[in-house]
Amino acid sequence: DTAVSQTPKYLVTQMGNDKSIKCEQNLGHDTMYWYKQDSKKFLKIMFSYNNKELIINETVPNRFSPKSPDKAHLNLHINSLELGDSAVYFCASSPHSSGGGSYEQYFGPGTRLTVT
Amino acid sequence: SQQGEEDPQALSIQEGENATMNCSYKTSINNLQWYRQNSGRGLVHLILIRSNEREKHSGRLRVTLDTSKKSSSLLITASRAADTASYFCATASGAQKLVFGQGTRLTINP
Repeated sequence: DTAVSQTPKYLVTQMGNDKSIKCEQNLGHDTMYWYKQDSKKFLKIMFSYNNKELIINETVPNRFSPKSPDKAHLNLHINSLELGDSAVYFCASSPHSSGGGSYEQYFGPGTRLTVT
Repeated sequence: SQQGEEDPQALSIQEGENATMNCSYKTSINNLQWYRQNSGRGLVHLILIRSNEREKHSGRLRVTLDTSKKSSSLLITASRAADTASYFCATASGAQKLVFGQGTRLTINP
């Protein structure tokens, strides 16, 4: 019954590797997001997709590539991992707001990525 | 860019006391939202207040918004140990984007 799920929960990998994180929501929402939370708990948006279309890309290095096969899934692929990529990555979803502003967002449990 | 700034960064109180957290922001907003994050978990939405609203209640939560001062406060009354968490404000200025503050870490001592 989990609304927003992410896999894996933990990911430990070496510098230079390529890894993917998967996200799925069963809420019927049109919009999905990827956030990065650093060691100081600062949460920053990376990407947003609405119905499989990219609508926000917040100056994230192009080593990060989101992919949305359908509106219920948003995956994040990271190439050539660096030490600074270590963080907790959160997926979220929300209903789409066509009139601007934002509805509340529903977050997944997070994926803790550690790059060694 | 970081929009909201929470104050204080950390707050420790006794169970049963009220906890007040403040959030200031810089630009005009459509709405402001508060979220809770328990340790090792994802964020949970608590309450949304629109720019034309001044106060909103939900159970033991009370949120105020002062758009002239670009500030909001979250009051948790009769705190419980289970309220121990980090609390974040997030501002919505359009384009489906929330900008989060750095959070207040609240500890409720039994």
